[in-house]
Formats: sequence, C-alpha cells, structure tokens
Amino acid sequence: AQSVTQPDIHITVSEGASLELRCNYSYGATPYLFWYVQSPGQGLQLLLKYFSGDTLVQGIKGFEAEFKRSQSSFNLRKPSVHWSDAAEYFCAVGVGNQGGKLIFGQGTELSVKP
Amino acid sequence: DTAVSQTPKYLVTQMGNDKSIKCEQNLGHDTMYWYKQDSKKFLKIMFSYNNKELIINETVPNRFSPKSPDKAHLNLHINSLELGDSAVYFCASSQGTGNTIYFGEGSWLTVV
Repeated sequence: AQSVTQPDIHITVSEGASLELRCNYSYGATPYLFWYVQSPGQGLQLLLKYFSGDTLVQGIKGFEAEFKRSQSSFNLRKPSVHWSDAAEYFCAVGVGNQGGKLIFGQGTELSVKP
Repeated sequence: DTAVSQTPKYLVTQMGNDKSIKCEQNLGHDTMYWYKQDSKKFLKIMFSYNNKELIINETVPNRFSPKSPDKAHLNLHINSLELGDSAVYFCASSQGTGNTIYFGEGSWLTVV
C-alpha cells in the first residue's frame, strides 16, 4: 500500500540556520511527489513538486527538494530559514492511477527561534 | 482572484444539524476533490470528481454527500452532524488526475 512518512513531528531551528525536512514514501510506480506548507489557520500552499527529470527541484520561497529513488526519499531543504517559514509542512505522493488522489505524510511542524 | 474558493470559512453548528460547504474553482480544471484534516492535522481524501463524475469515494459515511453541478463547482453536504465531524475540510482541483492539485483555504467546521 502507498504511504508517506515524515519522521519528524516537530523541528526547531534558529533563524538563518539551514533546514532539512525528511520524507520517505512507499509507492510501487514512479511517484509524483509534492511538498505543501500550511501556515496557522491557513490553507495548503504548494511549495514544489517532482514528476520526472532532474531529481533536484526548486520551489517557491527558496525551498528545494531532492528525489532519491534508491532511498525512497524526497527531503525538503532551505539554506537559510526565515521566521516567516514557521508552519506545518506536508509531504505527499500523488496516485495518478487512483483518481489522482494525494496521500499525505503526518506533517512536520517547524518552529523558528529568533 | 482566488483560484479555489470555499464558503463558509468558519462554521459552528449543533449536533444533528445538516450543513453544506460550497467550493468553486476558476482554474478551468476538470477534477475536484474534498479532503478532510482532522484534529491531529492528518489529511485524507474523501471524494474526487472528474468532469462531474464521482471517481473516488474513500469509505466516507453516507451522511456526507458531494454534489458537482458543473466542472467548476463541488459542494459538500453533511447530514446529521456528529461531534467527530469537527475538522477542516479542504476543497481542491487539478487538471486531470496526474497533475498538481491546488487547494482552497479550508472550511473550519466545529460541531458542538
């Protein structure tokens, strides 16, 4: 069965420090992979996506993610975190042959220390 | 212009009531979805419609009835609301079923 695991429920980083949020997936075919961000009381905003091609993808707000098929991972990175990055981050795999649904990880809450 | 818009954003209602959440997308997409986010922030798909036809129904109680009058709209009607229905409901859309899914702002439902 398809699944997505985000091992870290909560991460705290200092402003200006680098960030890596982990995501592992289980999916039999080539995955469509996404990272979404949810600020408190807000909806889900797409940060970036991987469908095919270059395994390092760039997104909005200075985020990037790297698809590693051998590790079944799609980790999200940012070189320098800003206080406004504090939010909940969700990794998801798209199951195109099942009506296009997304299977989400549990989310990682990011706190940023001044 | 908001791409995927939902109304109402906040809804507080009593157990046993019937309520609806409306969703509209102006992206020209042919596929729309309802997702539920529970109190632990876990997101799960409820329904998916492609060209007004139901293609996903993820074992949701039949108190929940989606309706898609046209490709741009997907409404969610909930009968006999229960405390456990309290959640955030997200509408979303995509072009086809293998592309990026865009979400609305969410509707915060509280059943008291």
